[in-house]
Amino acid sequence: DTEVTQTPKHLVMGMTNKKSLKCEQHMGHRAMYWYKQKAKKPPELMFVYSYEKLSINESVPSRFSPECPNSSLLNLHLHALQPEDSALYLCASSQGPGLSHEQYFGPGTRLTVT
Amino acid sequence: AQSVTQLDSQVPVFEEAPVELRCNYSSSVSVYLFWYVQYPNQGLQLLLKYLSGSTLVKGINGFEAEFNKSQTSFHLRKPSVHISDTAEYFCAVSDRSSTLTFGKGTMLLVSP
Repeated sequence: DTEVTQTPKHLVMGMTNKKSLKCEQHMGHRAMYWYKQKAKKPPELMFVYSYEKLSINESVPSRFSPECPNSSLLNLHLHALQPEDSALYLCASSQGPGLSHEQYFGPGTRLTVT
Repeated sequence: AQSVTQLDSQVPVFEEAPVELRCNYSSSVSVYLFWYVQYPNQGLQLLLKYLSGSTLVKGINGFEAEFNKSQTSFHLRKPSVHISDTAEYFCAVSDRSSTLTFGKGTMLLVSP
């Protein structure tokens, strides 16, 4: 099973709302990633969790708050977002640093901030 | 630091014709190379990867790529494309940290 699942598929939220994106994998991977993708652009790395600890934060604004409750789950908590945060948010996983380099991506959550 | 250049933002091609999508990279260390495909409104799917060994790599859906260290290239090829191959294709490079650096993408447009 090489599947990464993400919920919800679509999310519309106002600038004062609080919402969360969820990502799950059952491949035993120990590295998980959040990416942001704008239309017709490549994915931009936001966060990396390695062995359930935050290892990379690509200077992401604090209105995005990641959480890794266990090795299979990754959340992205959203609060006070701006319209320019509207994008496709992709989750990915890999075996872990130095173990394997290919990342497996979920289908994404299409976020619209109104 | 590493970077990836995909020279073509869009490649139009007729069905059953061959296609090559170009990718060049720069890195100061050994790299691992990938091609991902993204169909409309979907996530990224791994097409193929080069980690080591044979420089000719075969992937899913009839795609293949050749790693050329002297030219720092990893071009993607398919001998005969289908309408269903219409998608965005991303070349990516990784070093030992396992983080990916993506190219800007090439949109493959297959028409009948």
